[in-house]
Amino acid sequence: QQQVKQSPQSLIVQKGGIPIINCAYENTAFDYFPWYQQFPGKGPALLIAIRPDVSEKKEGRFTISFNKSAKQFSLHIMDSQPGDSATYFCAASYQGGSEKLVFGKGTKLTVNP
Amino acid sequence: DVKVTQSSRYLVKRTGEKVFLECVQDMDHENMFWYRQDPGLGLRLIYFSYDVKMKEKGDIPEGYSVSREKKERFSLILESASTNQTSMYLCASSKRLAGLQETQYFGPGTRLLVL
Repeated sequence: QQQVKQSPQSLIVQKGGIPIINCAYENTAFDYFPWYQQFPGKGPALLIAIRPDVSEKKEGRFTISFNKSAKQFSLHIMDSQPGDSATYFCAASYQGGSEKLVFGKGTKLTVNP
Repeated sequence: DVKVTQSSRYLVKRTGEKVFLECVQDMDHENMFWYRQDPGLGLRLIYFSYDVKMKEKGDIPEGYSVSREKKERFSLILESASTNQTSMYLCASSKRLAGLQETQYFGPGTRLLVL
């Protein structure tokens, strides 16, 4: 199974809230899990990535939590700001495979002032 | 900074036309990708190239072909455009390191409308 399932499809929070976006995968060979952020009119850009040897990774206000046994990973945005309004994609791939990423379908996040 | 450029931001074509979408990267990356992005469907890989003149089909290659004659340039070709190919097309590139996954860098996209 190559699929990565992402939820929710859209999310609206107030400024300062903590939006959480969830992803689940089936292929246990996956060992690289990046998140991409896309602003309107722009291509996606890497936000943060994790490998399964750690359960959490933080970069600024963005945190990935990883649960290997459940085959799930999630993105948390602390103290969200209107400038965080964007579409977020989770993805997965594995060493020894090609360099292809399998993307989730995306979550459109709106942070209201 | 890595730069991935796409030849057009917007294109309008007629059904049956042959369409060329060009992508150029300036970071000497080995890998280049073409995706299409549709609302609710995310990013779907059309074709992937890991070297000059090498290509590999992605998840939705039907109706598309690609060309990579130079390392920095990857072209997507719609042989006979159809209305269901109306979409946003994104090009990406990444460095190839054995056993490691590298960041994919995306261009700004080409929004194609087929009438």
